[in-house]
Amino acid sequence: KQEVTQIPAALSVPEGENLVLNCSFTDSAIYNLQWFRQDPGKGLTSLLLIQSSQREQTSGRLNASLDKSSGRSTLYIAASQPGDSATYLCAVKEYGNKLVFGAGTILRVKS
Amino acid sequence: SAVISQKPSRDICQRGTSLTIQCQVDSQVTMMFWYRQQPGQSLTLIATANQGSEATYESGFVIDKFPISRPNLTFSTLTVSNMSPEDSSIYLCSVAKGSSYEQYFGPGTRLTVT
Repeated sequence: KQEVTQIPAALSVPEGENLVLNCSFTDSAIYNLQWFRQDPGKGLTSLLLIQSSQREQTSGRLNASLDKSSGRSTLYIAASQPGDSATYLCAVKEYGNKLVFGAGTILRVKS
Repeated sequence: SAVISQKPSRDICQRGTSLTIQCQVDSQVTMMFWYRQQPGQSLTLIATANQGSEATYESGFVIDKFPISRPNLTFSTLTVSNMSPEDSSIYLCSVAKGSSYEQYFGPGTRLTVT
């Protein structure tokens, strides 16, 4: 059974700092991996999707990497801003289209 | 991308009653999913809504409790039946699109059962 773990569970940083969120998964037979952002009381916003054959994806200040063989992904946020404060969720898509989510990292960026 | 709307956005219901949640997508999609997010927890897949056939339920979820309809390629409903306080959660509709099957989520329905 696929299990997804995110570390740290919570993170508080001053504005402008670069930071890394970690995601690990137990079964490397994945179709892709997605990073989402969830604001309080809201739905999920897709940030980045990495196919199983890819190593990384970039969008603006965000960079996500994938090491499928070791079961790890990282989300790098450059020059963090207070507007980045949210819960960040990592999810792996198994063959059969099921998404398995981690518990998330709650990020707070202080101004 | 996909724009997904859900109705209602929130509701407070009494124990023993049922609530039907609607999900509307701005384009035709083959795959629609229903997820549950219990308080303080991450998302769990309830079922995959198939157009023209019965939904496929994940382990721990049954059709009698969570009946799903999928009358066309842009719309689905999830009913939470015979509710108890343990059903208090956010229920989210999701679709997968494109060659990479990227998933998009609706804003969610926050359900409180008293």
